[in-house]
Amino acid sequence: AQKVTQAQTEISVVEKEDVTLDCVYETRDTTYYLFWYKQPPSGELVFLIRRNSFDEQNEISGRYSWNFQKSTSSFNFTITASQVVDSAVYFCALRMYNTDKLIFGTGTRLQVFP
Amino acid sequence: GAVVSQHPSRVICKSGTSVKIECRSLDFQATTMFWYRQFPKQSLMLMATSNEGSKATYEQGVEKDKFLINHASLTLSTLTVTSAHPEDSSFYICSAPGGANYGYTFGSGTRLTVV
Repeated sequence: AQKVTQAQTEISVVEKEDVTLDCVYETRDTTYYLFWYKQPPSGELVFLIRRNSFDEQNEISGRYSWNFQKSTSSFNFTITASQVVDSAVYFCALRMYNTDKLIFGTGTRLQVFP
Repeated sequence: GAVVSQHPSRVICKSGTSVKIECRSLDFQATTMFWYRQFPKQSLMLMATSNEGSKATYEQGVEKDKFLINHASLTLSTLTVTSAHPEDSSFYICSAPGGANYGYTFGSGTRLTVV
């Protein structure tokens, strides 16, 4: 069965701190896709990144970086020098190659205080 | 880029009435639309998958007679919550495969409150 676990329900940090959001996934498939989405208080989902299972390269985009480790089935997300605007719920999601369905984790609520 | 327009963004209705939520793909064709429900502080739970020209596929535990889904064209999918009750109050989001974001374009969501 496929599953996404985000063990951190809520994280609070002070501005400028670095923060890492954990994501662990389960699948027996060798081909799959992993996603991160941001959901601000307004509710819409903002796409952050997609990674396929054959690409273990880490990615950096500005203050955001992602660490994909197939050996530990993890796809962690780090925000460097966090800002108040980063406050949101962040979802990790998994998709199998043979379906369009996304399986979401339970989300991590990040609060960045000034 | 690809956009899915979802309306209404917010609706309050009385118990027993029906509410229709629309999702339109604006610059691409959506042969499939996913419908999610999100309770406060919870994750997105897939309710059903609609396919243009055929019956929707519902996830286990979702009442098909209560949540009517119609995918009338390649650009429009609707979810009707029939005989709404307060426990149906939730945030509903649609999503279509396709678009710029490597495969998924989400609507902006509908916050339904049943009083």
